[in-house]
Amino acid sequence: SQTIHQWPATLVQPVGSPLSLECTVEGTSNPNLYWYRQAAGRGLQLLFYSVGIGQISSEVPQNLSASRPQDRQFILSSKKLLLSDSGFYLCAWSTITDTQYFGPGTRLTVL
Amino acid sequence: EDQVTQSPEALRLQEGESSSLNCSYTVSGLRGLFWYRQDPGKGPEFLFTLYSAGEEKEKERLKATLTKKESFLHITAPKPEDSATYLCAVQAEGSQGNLIFGKGTKLSVKP
Repeated sequence: SQTIHQWPATLVQPVGSPLSLECTVEGTSNPNLYWYRQAAGRGLQLLFYSVGIGQISSEVPQNLSASRPQDRQFILSSKKLLLSDSGFYLCAWSTITDTQYFGPGTRLTVL
Repeated sequence: EDQVTQSPEALRLQEGESSSLNCSYTVSGLRGLFWYRQDPGKGPEFLFTLYSAGEEKEKERLKATLTKKESFLHITAPKPEDSATYLCAVQAEGSQGNLIFGKGTKLSVKP
């Protein structure tokens, strides 16, 4: 069976500090991978998606970036965090069936 | 513009009191409609995928239906453990996996 991991589970960072969130998927090959952000009172917003190693598409221009160094690894990064980057970050995967399966999430608080 | 609207925002039910959640959508061409359940502080859990008007799917006390403009999630004789936020999302044709989410309906079931 497939499983998806995210870490860290929670993170408190000062404004202007860097960020690295990691997501890994087990039990499947060549998945599509996605990063979403869920802010309080708002729906899930797609940030990035990837259909293969090194292939990243951005949906929302911002100070975040994503990378996919391995088939089942997806990383979300920032060089300098803003207060508005606070939120619940979710990674998801899918295959050709298009149903997306979500990880447990990372709660990021920027102070 | 593709859009998803869920109603009501919050719903309080007594245990055993059946009801329905609504998801209205506007999309250029529907590739799929998805229902998820999200518990506080956790990632969304997949429930159903619907692809065409008239389609219905069931799982325990939940039944999802789809028309050309909206979807309903019917909850029959709910129990307190059904309390959660229920999310609806649509995928447009040619979107390469981009899910557009509604803001969700927060369901509380009292014993």
